[in-house]
Formats: sequence, structure tokens, C-alpha cells
Amino acid sequence: AAGVIQSPRHLIKEKRETATLKCYPIPRHDTVYWYQQGPGQDPQFLISFYEKMQSDKGSIPDRFSAQQFSDYHSELNMSSLELGDSALYFCASSFGTGGTEAFFGQGTRLTVV
Amino acid sequence: DQQVKQNSPSLSVQEGRISILNCDYTNSMFDYFLWYKKYPAEGPTFLISISSIKDKNEDGRFTVFLNKSAKHLSLHIVPSQPGDSAVYFCAASGGRNTPLVFGKGTRLSVIA
Repeated sequence: AAGVIQSPRHLIKEKRETATLKCYPIPRHDTVYWYQQGPGQDPQFLISFYEKMQSDKGSIPDRFSAQQFSDYHSELNMSSLELGDSALYFCASSFGTGGTEAFFGQGTRLTVV
Repeated sequence: DQQVKQNSPSLSVQEGRISILNCDYTNSMFDYFLWYKKYPAEGPTFLISISSIKDKNEDGRFTVFLNKSAKHLSLHIVPSQPGDSAVYFCAASGGRNTPLVFGKGTRLSVIA
């Protein structure tokens, strides 16, 4: 069965550069979540989209932005990267919001040097 | 302040025995609870869930128990197998348009 696809799997950027992470949800899923997991930390919710509209916002820095496109894929844009942005970024998708299982992608490991 | 707490960072269990992973939550608005399993360098994999209208949900070797009055849930794995060794995350959701809130995870090691 098709799963959530994230690209790229690994990304190395320098400080102050920009990065774009992509997430392709499971077909027919209309909700996308973005999570950030730093070393030794629990996943932290960044932002979510339902039917192409932002549905909730967590601890996403102002330097980051995201959107969900008409085909339901989502992109997380990160600018002015800092060393502390190095983390595993997970995307999850679900059908509907709340009270339903979300399925995660393999994650994108971002390293800022 | 953490809304979902997994107070045991790690747990070691012998193969064939029962593994019990615990999770506490503070937000009484949570009405759906999930367990995810995570292997290194992979995304969390959904394992089992429970709605607040139930107190138990079983799926093969995995059973989740929910005690709403104590705001506590637990995951039982019986019998434990070496392949169960992973980090287990408890997550909770409070209804429509609310994201999952995760605990810090418990690393389970099943020893052969």
C-alpha cells in the first residue's frame, strides 16, 4: 500500500541558507501534519493542514512557512537556517482531523552546518 | 508543561514475557489515544489506538487499556518478541482540527 513519502531523506545546509521539505500524503488523505524531532527529544508539532487550509499551528518558528497544494502534497519552507534547526522532520497524513490514525513518512534528516 | 507523559525512558523485558508501557495525560479534552512504534531512522508506525468511549482495545499481541478517571493508558505486549525492540510513543488527540500530542517515548528492549 502507498505510504507517506517525504523528500529528500537527507539534507545538509549551511547556516542562513534555505531548505524546502516535501511531503506526499497517502492517496485520499486530506490532512497533513509536520513534526520536528530534535536529538533525544519527543516529536514537536509544527503545523497542520486540512483541505489545503492551515488547521493548527504549533511551535513553528516565524522563519518557517508551509502550505498544502491542490494535490494535497505539502511543503515546509525553512529560511535563515540555524544550527538548532538540525533535526528529523516528519510528515504525517490522515483522512479527516482528530480522532483518526495519522500515518508517518520516513522523515527528512536536516543537518545545518 | 507536557500534556502527554511517558515517565519511563526505557524498559527491558525477556522474550516471551509481558511488556507494559505506561502513559499519563493531563488534558481532559483528549478523546483519542494512539501508540506508535519507531525504529531508528524511520518514521513512527501506527500500532494501536483507543477512543475515550472504550477502556480496552486488543489487536493480536497488543492491548491498550484506558483509565479515564486516572488519565492513564497502558500498552501491553504479550508475548514480547525481540522484533518488538523499538521506541514506543504514546499520542493523544482532542478532536477535530487538533494535532496529535506526543509523549517523549519509551525505549523497549526485548532480550532473547
